[in-house]
Amino acid sequence: QSALTQPASVSQSPGQSITISCTGTSSDVGASDYVAWYQHHPGKAPKLLIYEVSYRPSGISNRFSGSKSGNTASLTISGLQAEDEADYYCTSYTDSTTLVLFGGGTKLTVL
Amino acid sequence: QLLLQESGPGLLQPSETLSLTCNVSGASVGSNSYYWGWIRQPPGKGLEWIGSVYYSGTTYYNPSLKSRVTMSSDKSKKQFSLKLSSVTAADTAIYYCARLAAATIKFDSWGQGTLVTVSS
Repeated sequence: QSALTQPASVSQSPGQSITISCTGTSSDVGASDYVAWYQHHPGKAPKLLIYEVSYRPSGISNRFSGSKSGNTASLTISGLQAEDEADYYCTSYTDSTTLVLFGGGTKLTVL
Repeated sequence: QLLLQESGPGLLQPSETLSLTCNVSGASVGSNSYYWGWIRQPPGKGLEWIGSVYYSGTTYYNPSLKSRVTMSSDKSKKQFSLKLSSVTAADTAIYYCARLAAATIKFDSWGQGTLVTVSS
Protein backbone atom coordinates (compact mmCIF):
# COMPACT_ATOMS: atom_id res chain seq x y z
CA GLN A 1 0.00 0.00 0.00
CA SER A 2 1.07 3.60 -0.58
CA ALA A 3 1.63 5.96 2.28
CA LEU A 4 -1.17 8.27 3.27
CA THR A 5 -0.95 11.65 1.52
CA GLN A 6 -0.13 14.77 3.51
CA PRO A 7 0.97 18.20 2.29
CA ALA A 8 4.74 18.43 2.50
CA SER A 9 4.66 21.75 4.28
CA VAL A 10 2.31 24.34 5.71
CA SER A 11 2.91 27.67 7.39
CA GLN A 12 0.90 30.11 9.45
CA SER A 13 1.39 33.00 11.85
CA PRO A 14 1.36 32.72 15.63
CA GLY A 15 -2.12 32.85 17.13
CA GLN A 16 -3.76 31.63 13.93
CA SER A 17 -5.14 28.18 13.13
CA ILE A 18 -3.91 25.63 10.64
CA THR A 19 -5.37 22.40 9.32
CA ILE A 20 -3.26 19.52 8.03
CA SER A 21 -4.91 16.93 5.84
CA CYS A 22 -4.24 13.22 5.56
CA THR A 23 -5.77 11.50 2.56
CA GLY A 24 -6.07 7.77 2.19
CA THR A 25 -8.52 5.45 0.56
CA SER A 26 -11.76 3.67 1.33
CA SER A 27 -9.63 0.75 2.52
CA ASP A 28 -7.80 2.62 5.25
CA VAL A 29 -8.75 6.14 6.42
CA GLY A 30 -12.23 5.87 4.95
CA ALA A 31 -12.89 2.54 6.61
CA SER A 32 -11.19 3.12 9.93
CA ASP A 33 -11.85 4.99 13.14
CA TYR A 34 -8.24 4.29 14.06
CA VAL A 35 -6.59 7.41 12.71
CA ALA A 36 -3.88 8.97 14.84
CA TRP A 37 -1.67 12.05 14.66
CA TYR A 38 1.86 12.57 15.96
CA GLN A 39 4.08 15.58 16.50
CA HIS A 40 7.78 15.11 15.87
CA HIS A 41 10.47 17.57 16.81
CA PRO A 42 13.86 16.69 15.28
CA GLY A 43 16.03 14.71 17.65
CA LYS A 44 13.14 13.77 19.89
CA ALA A 45 10.72 10.89 20.07
CA PRO A 46 7.42 11.44 18.23
CA LYS A 47 4.51 12.34 20.50
CA LEU A 48 0.94 11.11 20.17
CA LEU A 49 -1.47 14.03 19.74
CA ILE A 50 -4.73 12.46 18.57
CA TYR A 51 -6.05 8.91 18.39
CA GLU A 52 -9.26 7.33 17.12
CA VAL A 53 -9.71 10.33 14.81
CA SER A 54 -10.50 12.91 17.47
CA TYR A 55 -9.48 11.83 20.98
CA ARG A 56 -6.66 13.54 22.83
CA PRO A 57 -4.40 11.68 25.26
CA SER A 58 -4.10 13.07 28.74
CA GLY A 59 -1.81 16.08 28.80
CA ILE A 60 -2.31 17.14 25.18
CA SER A 61 -3.54 20.69 24.75
CA ASN A 62 -7.09 21.21 23.49
CA ARG A 63 -5.54 23.43 20.83
CA PHE A 64 -5.07 20.18 18.92
CA SER A 65 -8.15 18.59 17.42
CA GLY A 66 -8.86 15.90 14.86
CA SER A 67 -11.66 15.06 12.47
CA LYS A 68 -12.41 12.91 9.47
CA SER A 69 -14.57 13.15 6.37
CA GLY A 70 -14.64 10.30 3.92
CA ASN A 71 -11.12 9.26 3.04
CA THR A 72 -9.50 12.37 4.51
CA ALA A 73 -8.56 12.97 8.12
CA SER A 74 -7.55 16.37 9.42
CA LEU A 75 -5.55 17.79 12.29
CA THR A 76 -6.34 21.34 13.33
CA ILE A 77 -4.04 23.36 15.55
CA SER A 78 -5.52 26.54 16.94
CA GLY A 79 -3.74 29.43 18.62
CA LEU A 80 -0.45 28.53 16.96
CA GLN A 81 2.64 28.89 19.11
CA ALA A 82 6.30 28.86 18.20
CA GLU A 83 6.76 25.47 19.86
CA ASP A 84 4.19 23.96 17.50
CA GLU A 85 6.77 24.20 14.73
CA ALA A 86 7.48 20.53 14.03
CA ASP A 87 6.72 17.68 11.68
CA TYR A 88 3.27 16.10 11.90
CA TYR A 89 2.36 12.58 10.82
CA CYS A 90 -0.91 10.75 10.49
CA THR A 91 -1.40 7.00 10.71
CA SER A 92 -4.32 4.76 9.96
CA TYR A 93 -5.20 1.15 10.54
CA THR A 94 -5.39 -0.56 7.21
CA ASP A 95 -6.03 -4.30 7.46
CA SER A 96 -5.27 -7.33 9.57
CA THR A 97 -2.14 -8.24 7.61
CA THR A 98 -0.40 -4.90 7.09
CA LEU A 99 -1.79 -3.26 10.20
CA VAL A 100 -0.83 0.42 9.89
CA LEU A 101 0.02 3.07 7.30
CA PHE A 102 1.92 6.28 7.88
CA GLY A 103 1.47 9.59 6.13
CA GLY A 104 4.46 11.18 4.48
CA GLY A 105 4.61 13.92 7.08
CA THR A 106 3.93 17.67 7.06
CA LYS A 107 6.42 20.28 8.15
CA LEU A 108 4.70 23.09 10.01
CA THR A 109 6.40 26.45 10.07
CA VAL A 110 5.14 29.09 12.48
CA LEU A 111 6.05 32.35 10.81
CA GLN B 1 6.42 4.52 33.95
CA LEU B 2 6.94 2.87 30.59
CA LEU B 3 10.40 3.21 29.10
CA LEU B 4 11.62 1.90 25.78
CA GLN B 5 15.32 1.89 24.95
CA GLU B 6 16.86 0.88 21.65
CA SER B 7 20.30 -0.71 21.48
CA GLY B 8 22.53 -2.08 18.76
CA PRO B 9 25.43 -1.28 16.46
CA GLY B 10 25.51 2.22 15.08
CA LEU B 11 27.58 1.41 12.00
CA LEU B 12 27.14 -1.38 9.50
CA GLN B 13 28.69 -2.26 6.18
CA PRO B 14 26.57 -2.86 3.10
CA SER B 15 25.12 -6.39 2.87
CA GLU B 16 25.32 -6.92 6.64
CA THR B 17 22.33 -7.64 8.85
CA LEU B 18 21.07 -4.88 11.10
CA SER B 19 20.15 -6.16 14.57
CA LEU B 20 18.45 -3.93 17.12
CA THR B 21 16.91 -4.65 20.48
CA CYS B 22 14.35 -2.64 22.40
CA ASN B 23 14.43 -3.07 26.15
CA VAL B 24 11.08 -2.48 27.83
CA SER B 25 10.58 -1.42 31.42
CA GLY B 26 7.25 -0.67 33.01
CA ALA B 27 5.22 -3.02 30.81
CA SER B 28 5.18 -6.58 29.55
CA VAL B 29 5.80 -7.56 25.95
CA GLY B 30 3.64 -10.56 26.85
CA SER B 31 0.51 -8.44 27.14
CA ASN B 32 -2.26 -9.04 24.61
CA SER B 33 -3.11 -5.34 24.71
CA TYR B 34 -0.18 -4.19 22.63
CA TYR B 35 1.94 -4.73 19.56
CA TRP B 36 5.62 -3.87 19.77
CA GLY B 37 7.21 -2.36 16.75
CA TRP B 38 9.84 -0.45 14.85
CA ILE B 39 9.66 2.78 12.90
CA ARG B 40 12.56 4.48 11.13
CA GLN B 41 13.38 7.90 9.74
CA PRO B 42 16.03 8.19 7.03
CA PRO B 43 17.89 11.51 6.93
CA GLY B 44 15.69 14.24 5.49
CA LYS B 45 12.72 11.90 5.08
CA GLY B 46 9.57 10.98 6.94
CA LEU B 47 8.74 8.24 9.39
CA GLU B 48 8.38 4.74 7.97
CA TRP B 49 6.72 1.88 9.81
CA ILE B 50 8.89 -1.23 9.57
CA GLY B 51 6.70 -3.68 11.40
CA SER B 52 5.26 -4.87 14.69
CA VAL B 53 5.14 -8.07 16.71
CA TYR B 54 2.26 -9.25 18.87
CA TYR B 55 2.62 -11.10 22.16
CA SER B 56 1.67 -14.32 20.39
CA GLY B 57 4.63 -13.97 18.06
CA THR B 58 2.48 -12.94 15.11
CA THR B 59 4.31 -10.40 13.03
CA TYR B 60 3.17 -7.63 10.73
CA TYR B 61 5.59 -6.09 8.28
CA ASN B 62 5.66 -3.18 5.88
CA PRO B 63 5.23 -4.86 2.49
CA SER B 64 8.13 -2.84 1.08
CA LEU B 65 10.53 -4.35 3.64
CA LYS B 66 8.90 -7.68 4.33
CA SER B 67 11.44 -9.79 2.45
CA ARG B 68 14.29 -8.52 4.64
CA VAL B 69 12.67 -8.09 8.05
CA THR B 70 12.38 -10.41 11.01
CA MET B 71 10.93 -9.38 14.35
CA SER B 72 10.54 -11.27 17.60
CA SER B 73 9.86 -10.68 21.26
CA ASP B 74 11.17 -12.26 24.45
CA LYS B 75 8.88 -11.93 27.43
CA SER B 76 11.46 -13.24 29.89
CA LYS B 77 14.04 -10.70 28.79
CA LYS B 78 11.47 -7.89 28.52
CA GLN B 79 12.63 -7.02 25.04
CA PHE B 80 11.80 -7.27 21.38
CA SER B 81 14.08 -7.20 18.40
CA LEU B 82 14.49 -6.27 14.77
CA LYS B 83 16.66 -7.88 12.14
CA LEU B 84 16.99 -6.29 8.71
CA SER B 85 19.10 -8.22 6.25
CA SER B 86 21.21 -7.13 3.28
CA VAL B 87 21.35 -3.49 4.32
CA THR B 88 22.34 -0.70 1.95
CA ALA B 89 22.96 3.00 2.39
CA ALA B 90 19.21 3.48 1.96
CA ASP B 91 18.73 1.79 5.33
CA THR B 92 20.65 4.54 7.10
CA ALA B 93 18.14 6.02 9.51
CA ILE B 94 17.14 6.74 13.05
CA TYR B 95 15.37 3.62 14.27
CA TYR B 96 12.66 3.97 16.91
CA CYS B 97 10.97 1.24 18.87
CA ALA B 98 7.41 1.92 19.96
CA ARG B 99 4.38 0.38 21.60
CA LEU B 100 1.20 0.17 19.54
CA ALA B 101 -2.05 -0.18 21.45
CA ALA B 102 -3.97 -3.06 19.92
CA ALA B 103 -7.46 -1.74 20.55
CA THR B 104 -6.88 1.74 19.16
CA ILE B 105 -3.88 1.36 16.83
CA LYS B 106 -2.00 4.25 18.39
CA PHE B 107 1.72 4.40 19.08
CA ASP B 108 1.46 5.57 22.67
CA SER B 109 5.07 5.24 23.77
CA TRP B 110 8.32 5.62 21.87
CA GLY B 111 12.00 5.10 22.48
CA GLN B 112 14.39 7.96 21.92
CA GLY B 113 15.72 6.41 18.74
CA THR B 114 19.10 5.14 17.65
CA LEU B 115 21.03 6.17 14.57
CA VAL B 116 22.17 3.36 12.33
CA THR B 117 24.55 4.23 9.51
CA VAL B 118 25.32 1.91 6.63
CA SER B 119 28.62 2.74 5.01
CA SER B 120 31.68 1.00 3.69
